[in-house]
Amino acid sequence: QVHLVQSGAEVRRPGSSVKVSCKSSGAIPSSYAIVWVRQAPGHGLEWMGRIIPMFGIGNYVQKFQGRVTITADRSTNTAYMELSSLKSEDTAVYYCSRGLLGSLRLDPWGQGTLVTVSS
Amino acid sequence: SYVLTQPPSVSVAPRETATITCGGDNIGSKSVHWYQQKPGQAPVLVVYDNRDRPSGIPERFSGSNSGDTATLTISRVEAGDEADYYCQVWDSISDGVFGGGTKLTVL
Repeated sequence: QVHLVQSGAEVRRPGSSVKVSCKSSGAIPSSYAIVWVRQAPGHGLEWMGRIIPMFGIGNYVQKFQGRVTITADRSTNTAYMELSSLKSEDTAVYYCSRGLLGSLRLDPWGQGTLVTVSS
Repeated sequence: SYVLTQPPSVSVAPRETATITCGGDNIGSKSVHWYQQKPGQAPVLVVYDNRDRPSGIPERFSGSNSGDTATLTISRVEAGDEADYYCQVWDSISDGVFGGGTKLTVL
């Protein structure tokens, strides 16, 4: 059973960047991606992007293109999501999850990382 | 972009059946997944590929998908089923897409 453990809560100023990590308890096979999803307070789930660690190429939804970078370190089974030019609207819980290629069902999920953007 | 539409809320009495819908253009041609999220917790996959259940998910949770509507059905609802439920699909243009979520209240 794979487990995903994320880094701790962060507080950032507007205009800065944040990098959140997601460590898997085991290697991620080539048939899976690591997906990043966020949830603003009181709102629903929002897909941000994904990476296939085996190949190392990130894929981002249009809303976040140019601001988000998803990377993976296969040597440590860790994926990263960096979001730049932060705004107060980026305050949210950020989740990573493992997605099976083809259908991209997400299971399991990390515990979530709260990122607060405030001046 | 591909859009999934869910009712904001559904209420049901204990031991009754809850039905949560997820509407999308020709969603019947896609694989739909459902997640349960309780307050302060990460989402949990409860149904995948329209109707399959991960190990550990009770048989009371079932799914169907046809035409423009996918459905999550929870039979014999319990107080512990009270949560937000989200549908999700993968679309070749939009990538991953979530519905807006449905809050299930057990009366």
